[in-house]
Amino acid sequence: DQQVKQNSPSLSVQEGRISILNCDYTNSMFDYFLWYKKYPAEGPTFLISISSIKDKNEDGRFTVFLNKSAKHLSLHIVPSQPGDSAVYFCAATPLFSGTYKYIFGTGTRLKVLA
Amino acid sequence: GAGVSQSPRYKVAKRGQDVALRCDPISGHVSLFWYQQALGQGPEFLTYFQNEAQLDKSGLPSDRFFAERPEGSVSTLKIQRTQQEDSAVYLCASSPQDRATDTQYFGPGTRLTVL
Repeated sequence: DQQVKQNSPSLSVQEGRISILNCDYTNSMFDYFLWYKKYPAEGPTFLISISSIKDKNEDGRFTVFLNKSAKHLSLHIVPSQPGDSAVYFCAATPLFSGTYKYIFGTGTRLKVLA
Repeated sequence: GAGVSQSPRYKVAKRGQDVALRCDPISGHVSLFWYQQALGQGPEFLTYFQNEAQLDKSGLPSDRFFAERPEGSVSTLKIQRTQQEDSAVYLCASSPQDRATDTQYFGPGTRLTVL
C-alpha cells in the first residue's frame, strides 16, 4: 500500500516557466513533509520542508504548498532552470513517532528544456 | 568534504554470497538510517539507529539483512546469502539529532547487483 504517491512519473517544462510537482498521501498521521532532489549516481539532497501547522513554505525559487484536508502537497519551482532537471521525491513522516523514518513517493523526473 | 560517504559505490555479488556495505555518517550525527531503493522506486526505509542503539528495524526484508553501528558512528549493513531481489541501491542517511524535523543527509549509495 503506497502511503505517499507521486502520480506523474515525468514532467517537461520550458526554461523560465513554472514547474509544479504533485504528491498525495493517505496516512493522516503524517504531519511533516519534505521534498528531495536527486541527480543520477548521487544521493537525494534536501530541498524544502513543511509541517502540518503551515500551508505554505517558501525558499527562493522553491515553494511547497500543503492542503491537509485533501492530503495533497505540491512543489512549485519558479522560474525553472535547466539545472533543476532531476528526479524529485516527496517524503512524509509523523513528527512524534519515535522513529523518524521517511516514507517516500516514487519520484517525478523533471526535465527543464532550454 | 564533510558529507555522508558510502563504500563500495558498486558491488557485484553472485547469488548466495554475503556482502557488507559501509556508511560513514557526518561526524557527530546522532541518527543514522538505511534505505533501499529499487529501480524506478523511491527509497524504502530499512532500519534506524540512535547512536549505537538500533531503535527500529521494521523495514529489514528478511533475517538475511543485519545492520550494526557498534560505536555510534560508522555503520555496516550486511546481507547474507544474497538473492537477485536484493539488487538495489542502498542509501545511508544521517541527521544531527533524533527529531523528525532534523534534515536527513544522504550518501551517494551503494549499487548492489546480484547475479
